[in-house]
Amino acid sequence: QVQLVESGGGLVKPGGSLRLSCAASGFTFSDFYMSWIRQAPGKGLEWVSYISNTGSYTNYADSVKGRFTISRDNAQNSLYLQMNGLRAEDTALYYCARRGYSASLDSWGQGTLVTVSS
Amino acid sequence: IVLTQSPGTLSLSPGERATLSCRASQSVSSNYLAWYQQKPGQAPRLLIYGASSRATGIPDRFSGSGSGTDFTLTISRLDPEDFAVFYCQQYGQSPWTFGQGTRVEIK
Repeated sequence: QVQLVESGGGLVKPGGSLRLSCAASGFTFSDFYMSWIRQAPGKGLEWVSYISNTGSYTNYADSVKGRFTISRDNAQNSLYLQMNGLRAEDTALYYCARRGYSASLDSWGQGTLVTVSS
Repeated sequence: IVLTQSPGTLSLSPGERATLSCRASQSVSSNYLAWYQQKPGQAPRLLIYGASSRATGIPDRFSGSGSGTDFTLTISRLDPEDFAVFYCQQYGQSPWTFGQGTRVEIK
């Protein structure tokens, strides 16, 4: 079955950097677009970024553009999110999700928590 | 595209019908509108895609309808396990956007 496992979250100071990873299994990773979505504590969902199946196309929310970089390694079945210039408002649970054949987000990981605080 | 969900909270009893609304600030391309359910401490789960198609394994008491700017999620008879927060999302135009959520709570 499809499994997505995020890692790499933690506590970081404002202005710092963090790299999130998402390990995928149970499907042909290289066939699917992948995405990062975040959820601030007690708040709703916010789309962050997505990447095409080959990695050639990426897209970002305005709130993270120029600071975050999404990438993938299809040989390792892994998705990444490099986060630089972190701000307090980036504090959230970060989910990786698969964009399915329906183009909606049909599988989600359990999330990794990023806390930005001094 | 801004998605506005209503009501913010719905208080209902098991067995009752739930009707959730999602209104878009502009037309959603190709009816690329999805609904997700999120229970406390869990990741969201896809319920409906393409405005009206049920995702794999989703019970038929969940149904989606609508087009253009007005969409509805209906739960025909609430099961105790259905109480949760529900989000709509449009994925037809970048940036993808989510509604703010509707909480369905036990009355």
